[in-house]
Amino acid sequence: DVKVTQSSRYLVKRTGEKVFLECVQDMDHENMFWYRQDPGLGLRLIYFSYDVKMKEKGDIPEGYSVSREKKERFSLILESASTNQTSMYLCASRTLLAGDPQETQYFGPGTRLLVL
Amino acid sequence: AQSVTQLDSHVSVSEGTPVLLRCNYSSSYSPSLFWYVQHPNKGLQLLLKYTSAATLVKGINGFEAEFKKSETSFHLTKPSAHMSDAAEYFCVVSLDSGGYNKLIFGAGTRLAVHP
Repeated sequence: DVKVTQSSRYLVKRTGEKVFLECVQDMDHENMFWYRQDPGLGLRLIYFSYDVKMKEKGDIPEGYSVSREKKERFSLILESASTNQTSMYLCASRTLLAGDPQETQYFGPGTRLLVL
Repeated sequence: AQSVTQLDSHVSVSEGTPVLLRCNYSSSYSPSLFWYVQHPNKGLQLLLKYTSAATLVKGINGFEAEFKKSETSFHLTKPSAHMSDAAEYFCVVSLDSGGYNKLIFGAGTRLAVHP
């Protein structure tokens, strides 16, 4: 089974702090994604990565950056956390190998971030 | 532009009764559509997907969905609800964005199942 893990389930930070959210997948997937989930809004894509050292902005990249130095790890960085970044953050990964539908993304359990 | 609308934010059913979660989509071409489920404190799990093959799609845990192009709908159904079905359900459309299939999520429907 595909396993996507996130470094923290719950995180409390103060306004202005730099925050790192880590995501690791164990299936050698090429693509990785970061979403935020807010009530009534579903999931919105922040950033994604096609492969190592590659990144693309999603729909709401402002206030965030990402890093993909190794294939299995995709980090989301909040350079200076703000209260409007309080949310649930979900990481996902996807393979492009034949036999696995291109669109199927596998999700981690999420990190609930509270910025005070 | 592609989008999805989930018509109910909350649905409540009794155990053993049918489940209907409604989803309408907007797409300029034949879309790929999905339903994901999120149980409390767990990640999202793919329930089923439609990719222009059979219009009636069967998924895991007894769920199925029917693609109706004339109604631009992709409603999720289950004949008999189980307590373990209580979760949040997301209808999703896939958008082809420069060679990458981007997922557009609906706002979600929270399903409650009562004894």
